[in-house]
Amino acid sequence: AQSVAQPEDQVNVAEGNPLTVKCTYSVSGNPYLFWYVQYPNRGLQFLLKYITGDNLVKGSYGFEAEFNKSQTSFHLKKPSALVSDSALYFCAVRLEGDNYGQNFVFGPGTRLSVLP
Amino acid sequence: DTGVSQNPRHKITKRGQNVTFRCDPISEHNRLYWYRQTLGQGPEFLTYFQNEAQLEKSRLLSDRFSAERPKGSFSTLEIQRTEQGDSAMYLCASSLYRGGGTNEKLFFGSGTQLSVL
Repeated sequence: AQSVAQPEDQVNVAEGNPLTVKCTYSVSGNPYLFWYVQYPNRGLQFLLKYITGDNLVKGSYGFEAEFNKSQTSFHLKKPSALVSDSALYFCAVRLEGDNYGQNFVFGPGTRLSVLP
Repeated sequence: DTGVSQNPRHKITKRGQNVTFRCDPISEHNRLYWYRQTLGQGPEFLTYFQNEAQLEKSRLLSDRFSAERPKGSFSTLEIQRTEQGDSAMYLCASSLYRGGGTNEKLFFGSGTQLSVL
């Protein structure tokens, strides 16, 4: 069964500094990888996804993520953090094809706090 | 694109009561998922539909939970005889599935926060 780990419950970074939110995954097969962001009292919003091709994926709001197959990682990055980036971030994996309900498996989330 | 809509936003109920939540997906989306999210956790799959067919239910889903999508549009999730452990955020998501999964992307509603007293 596939799984997603986000090793840090909380990441603190100063505004203007680069940020990284880590994600590792375990799947059998070709993974499709996603990052979602959740603001308070809101549903999850799509940030970016990796399907195939270039290992560096660019997404919304200046975020990017790097797929590393050998390390089974998909870390989220941003060169310069904003206070408004403070939110809960979820990494998710989807297997190729149709695996019914386990199509999308989410990590436990990482709370990002950007300090002014 | 009006997005995924969920009602109500909040529901407070007493233990033992039944509750029903509604989800209106993005109109052209053929798949609809229900997830449960507790504090500090990621969304946990409950069940999903393709059009009106319920294709899978999580093994973790109690038989007190039932979901329908009668005309392949909106969906309802009912919890019977609620327990305090049912307190959570219930999220609905929809997607346009064209086979293979390459382009499938979930669009989430804002959720229904259930509190069982």
